[in-house]
Amino acid sequence: AQSVAQPEDQVNVAEGNPLTVKCTYSVSGNPYLFWYVQYPNRGLQFLLKYITGDNLVKGSYGFEAEFNKSQTSFHLKKPSALVSDSALYFCAVREIAGANNLFFGTGTRLTVIP
Amino acid sequence: EAQVTQNPRYLITVTGKKLTVTCSQNMNHEYMSWYRQDPGLGLRQIYYSMNVEVTDKGDVPEGYKVSRKEKRNFPLILESPSPNQTSLYFCAIGNDIYGYTFGSGTRLTVV
Repeated sequence: AQSVAQPEDQVNVAEGNPLTVKCTYSVSGNPYLFWYVQYPNRGLQFLLKYITGDNLVKGSYGFEAEFNKSQTSFHLKKPSALVSDSALYFCAVREIAGANNLFFGTGTRLTVIP
Repeated sequence: EAQVTQNPRYLITVTGKKLTVTCSQNMNHEYMSWYRQDPGLGLRQIYYSMNVEVTDKGDVPEGYKVSRKEKRNFPLILESPSPNQTSLYFCAIGNDIYGYTFGSGTRLTVV
């Protein structure tokens, strides 16, 4: 069975500081991994994905994530946080050989403090 | 650019009154899906469709129906809504290569 854990409901970071939003996953086989962001009263916007290739994936708005197979993690990072990065972030996983079901974490609310 | 259009954006209804939330896409994606978002639970898949006339249950299908008579549209049907179906609903299209695009959401309240 697939599962995604986002261990922090809330992450606070000062503007200009690096940020990390954590995600660990569990699948039977190999994963496809995704990060989405949700701003208030908006749908989900795609940030980045890991399908294959380099473990470090770069995405929209300066975000990046590193796929770590041994730790089954896919943490989202940004070198310098902006106030406008404040939003709800979701990690999602799909097992490559599994049904076409994106399985989401419960979300992490990021607040960037000016 | 992929676009997913959901209607309505907001809906307040009464228990037992049948309703339909529409979803249409401007691409030719075979895959379409419905999710519901609830606080503390993230997004959970209700139903998905891999092509016309091909639909399958997600994680929380109880109380919902879908149909895929044409590639472009994937309506979500609540035959007899109940208060526990009060939620924020999202339709999604896409695939692993291009990524998944979500609609703007439908906030449903069942009283």
